[in-house]
Amino acid sequence: DTGVSQDPRHKITKRGQNVTFRCDPISEHNRLYWYRQTLGQGPEFLTYFQNEAQLEKSRLLSDRFSAERPKGSFSTLEIQRTEQGDSAMYLCASRTEDQETQYFGPGTRLLVL
Amino acid sequence: RKEVEQDPGPFNVPEGATVAFNCTYSNSASQSFFWYRQDCRKEPKLLMSVYSSGNEDGRFTAQLNRASQYISLLIRDSKLSDSATYLCVVKEVWGSQGNLIFGKGTKLSVKP
Repeated sequence: DTGVSQDPRHKITKRGQNVTFRCDPISEHNRLYWYRQTLGQGPEFLTYFQNEAQLEKSRLLSDRFSAERPKGSFSTLEIQRTEQGDSAMYLCASRTEDQETQYFGPGTRLLVL
Repeated sequence: RKEVEQDPGPFNVPEGATVAFNCTYSNSASQSFFWYRQDCRKEPKLLMSVYSSGNEDGRFTAQLNRASQYISLLIRDSKLSDSATYLCVVKEVWGSQGNLIFGKGTKLSVKP
């Protein structure tokens, strides 16, 4: 499968714990995006990378959230001291420099108890 | 005011029906427009881009009215497999920069 992959697909954690999600984009895609989607809403932009550089962060990305893409390939999204309001689907998408279409991964569904 | 607004539905239609979805966007500087489809508990997938002249892909027709800041999607001869949530998406910056702004989606249910 050469699409965007995300791991884990599901995560249940207790409030206050830290969680980390991984995204592997399509191999030649240098742009990588993270979105969050809650029930009944469309995906909301969190942050994006061009290669290893994090170029933009949404105001939704509180200081408990951090994202990295150290080698310009896979990316991780960490949430520290999780809160129940963090429960959502976390989606990763990627695209090439000259292409508008973003390709989404299957998402990581987070439930904070 | 939300940046991208859609009627959440649900739209319940019989097979073979024609159904239309509408979407409005608030930022007149928006440059690129799309319809994405999202099946239940799955990721969004691009259905089609929307061009100023309007465009068609099989049973699907998309229209853009920049003056009214309005986008539409028409589905003809609905199939059971068309049941999904349709997301109206806007990108505000021309070219390679800019991020996607999603509407909440319109849920379509096609019944036999």
